[in-house]
Amino acid sequence: SYVLTQPPSVSVAPGQTARITCGGNNFGSKNVHWYQQRPGQAPVLVVYDDSDRPSGIPERFSGSNSGNTATLTINRVEAGDEADYYCQIWDSSSDRPVFGGGTKLTVL
Amino acid sequence: QVQLLQSAAEVKKPGASVKVSCKASGYTFNSYGISWVRQAPGQGLEWMGWISGYNDNTDYAQKFQGRVTMTTDTSTSTAYMELRSLRSDDTAVFFCARALAVAAIGAFDIWGQGTLVIVSS
Repeated sequence: SYVLTQPPSVSVAPGQTARITCGGNNFGSKNVHWYQQRPGQAPVLVVYDDSDRPSGIPERFSGSNSGNTATLTINRVEAGDEADYYCQIWDSSSDRPVFGGGTKLTVL
Repeated sequence: QVQLLQSAAEVKKPGASVKVSCKASGYTFNSYGISWVRQAPGQGLEWMGWISGYNDNTDYAQKFQGRVTMTTDTSTSTAYMELRSLRSDDTAVFFCARALAVAAIGAFDIWGQGTLVIVSS
């Protein structure tokens, strides 16, 4: 089955920019979605279809997808952004959604 | 507002079954589907399957085939996920999430709060 690779952890100081990557084969042809999951809470969709933001999600959150890597970028990181972040795609070869393993964002 | 409200936590013995509910509000239930996602303690998200709120079509992850059944009650806008033959490694939080009506393609834009199921003798 399709494998999405995320770094286990990313650390960033408040006010800086965090970049979380998600990799896979032939990634550029797939729509990538990103979820934020704070401890003890349900996931929240923060970016869909590579770079679109649902209503209510701050403009600090943005996404891109090129080649074999998608990136979630969080500008001007705040303490409240500390969470696990998951990427997700639709694997057309298996006709199934697939999640990445998740990245823990730590705000120093 | 649009929300999914899940049933309360459950404790089950190995070999038993659990049925988790997910009540939708704030949108037209039969215009969307519901996916179910499992999260074991300290682990990532695992897609279990999907059911259409439009025509009750289902699609289950191979890992859960034969052990899971997803249903809906359109009269109450509620989706259900039943998992049978529970094992200790089924201990997890189960989430429902809103999906498209035609398939689990696309993003899951609304999530329930999660239901903790503990399997223990």
